[in-house]
Amino acid sequence: DTGVSQDPRHKITKRGQNVTFRCDPISEHNRLYWYRQTLGQGPEFLTYFQNEAQLEKSRLLSDRFSAERPKGSFSTLEIQRTEQGDSAMYLCASSFIGEKLFFGSGTQLSVL
Amino acid sequence: QKEVEQDPGPLSVPEGAIVSLNCTYSNSAFQYFMWYRQYSRKGPELLMYTYSSGNKEDGRFTAQVDKSSKYISLFIRDSQPSDSATYLCAMIRDYKLSFGAGTTVTVRA
Repeated sequence: DTGVSQDPRHKITKRGQNVTFRCDPISEHNRLYWYRQTLGQGPEFLTYFQNEAQLEKSRLLSDRFSAERPKGSFSTLEIQRTEQGDSAMYLCASSFIGEKLFFGSGTQLSVL
Repeated sequence: QKEVEQDPGPLSVPEGAIVSLNCTYSNSAFQYFMWYRQYSRKGPELLMYTYSSGNKEDGRFTAQVDKSSKYISLFIRDSQPSDSATYLCAMIRDYKLSFGAGTTVTVRA
């Protein structure tokens, strides 16, 4: 399968714990995006990378959130000191140049 | 006001019917328009992509864009139970996708 891969698919954690998600984009895609989706809503933009450079972050991305894309390959999204409001589906997408974004299956986070 | 407005439905139709989905947007800077299909607990899947006003067909799917009215539509002909999903409109500005809330469609066998 050469699509966007996300790991884990599901994560249950207790409030206050740190969590990290991984995304492997489609090979040769230079842009990588993170989105968050809550029930009944469309995905909301969090941040994106062009190669290894993080070019934009949404104001939704508080200082508890950090994302990296070392060497312009896979990416990680870390949430520190999780809160119940962080419960959502975290989606990763990749694109070549920028117009057509292809999404992974997402990581469903539940904060208890 | 959200940049992209989409009626969340839900929409229920009998098998074989035409499904009609719509979105409006407020920012004329949007350049590219897409429709994604999302099954429960899955990521969005790109269905249709267009950048100009007019119609684009792909099999049973037709995407329509009217930039003057800031209005986009998706039509699904001969709908099947497997088309039951949430359909999200999306549009790009500055390399970021903005999504509608999604319309949940159920096609009854």
